Amino acid sequence: DVKVTQSSRYLVKRTGEKVFLECVQDMDHENMFWYRQDPGLGLRLIYFSYDVKMKEKGDIPEGYSVSREKKERFSLILESASTNQTSMYLCASSLLTGFSPLHFGNGTRLTVT
Amino acid sequence: AQSVTQPDIHITVSEGASLELRCNYSYGATPYLFWYVQSPGQGLQLLLKYFSGDTLVQGIKGFEAEFKRSQSSFNLRKPSVHWSDAAEYFCAVGSGTASKLTFGTGTRLQVTL
Repeated sequence: DVKVTQSSRYLVKRTGEKVFLECVQDMDHENMFWYRQDPGLGLRLIYFSYDVKMKEKGDIPEGYSVSREKKERFSLILESASTNQTSMYLCASSLLTGFSPLHFGNGTRLTVT
Repeated sequence: AQSVTQPDIHITVSEGASLELRCNYSYGATPYLFWYVQSPGQGLQLLLKYFSGDTLVQGIKGFEAEFKRSQSSFNLRKPSVHWSDAAEYFCAVGSGTASKLTFGTGTRLQVTL
């Protein structure tokens, strides 16, 4: 079974801090995604990657960057955290071929104070 | 641009009653459609998907969904709801490459005993 692991379940950071959210998948999936989940807004795509060192902007990339140095790991970076980035962050992965369903991690709830 | 509408924010049903969750999509071509479920504190789990062929698709946990192109809908149904079905349900539409999905805002299901 596919396992997508997000390194932190809860994080509390201060405004202006640099924040790293880590995600690892164990099924050799080519695609990896970062979504943000907010009440009443559903899930919104921040960035995705279809290969190592490749990345593409999603619908809400402002204030975020990503890194994919290895196939199994996809990091989301908040260069200077702000209170409006307080949210639930979900990582997902999928195969490249066809239209493979996404497999999600359990999420990281980030609070920026 | 593609979009998904879930008109019901919150639905309450009695255990044993039937359930229908509504989903309408906007997409120019033949869509890839998904339903995901999120239990409290968890990531999203795939319930079912529609790519092509039979417009009535079966999923896990006794759920089914029907694709109706003329109504741009992909409603989720279950004949008899169990208390463990209480969760948040997300409809999603996919496009292009890399399994990129656009999600609806979700419907929270409450089940009364």
